[in-house]
Amino acid sequence: GQNIDQPTEMTATEGAIVQINCTYQTSGFNGLFWYQQHAGEAPTFLSYNVLDGLEEKGRFSSFLSRSKGYSYLLLKELQMKDSASYLCAVLDSNYQLIWGAGTKLIIKP
Amino acid sequence: GAVVSQHPSRVICKSGTSVKIECRSLDFQATTMFWYRQFPKKSLMLMATSNEGSKATYEQGVEKDKFLINHASLTLSTLTVTSAHPEDSSFYICSASTREWNEQFFGPGTRLTVL
Repeated sequence: GQNIDQPTEMTATEGAIVQINCTYQTSGFNGLFWYQQHAGEAPTFLSYNVLDGLEEKGRFSSFLSRSKGYSYLLLKELQMKDSASYLCAVLDSNYQLIWGAGTKLIIKP
Repeated sequence: GAVVSQHPSRVICKSGTSVKIECRSLDFQATTMFWYRQFPKKSLMLMATSNEGSKATYEQGVEKDKFLINHASLTLSTLTVTSAHPEDSSFYICSASTREWNEQFFGPGTRLTVL
């Protein structure tokens, strides 16, 4: 079966760095997405990785290792507004998005 | 670019009535639209995938007669929740994509409350 694992909840301090991990087992791979979702709102796109390596975009970076079925989202200089759920999703061989359950990130002052 | 809208954003209805939710791609032609359902503190659950001009493909466990999906044009898909019951209360989100893009663009979601 297809499976995506990410931690349920993480806590970090304002101004710090946090890394949210995602491991996946899917039928085929056409890319991995990270989305941010605030409570009561739809997800918003953060990053897309299809090749191995690190993609940096401002305070957010995303890493992918296809051989290990592993990705992480790195958030630097955390701000209170970064408190949200972070969803990892993989596009499988049928170009269908397989979603992780999401990681709720709590930022403390 | 790549904006998707949903209407209404919130709807409250009585049990037994039907509710229609619209999903529009405002600045691109969406060959594929997806309908998701999300329960509180849970991830998105794909309900169905619809391609313009063809019947929607429903995920296992989703009743096609209860959740009617129509994708009549390249910019509009509708989800109708028929004979709604309180257990249908949820956050419904659509997303849209094209053949050229791997990314899905999400609408803002519709919160349905059935009394």
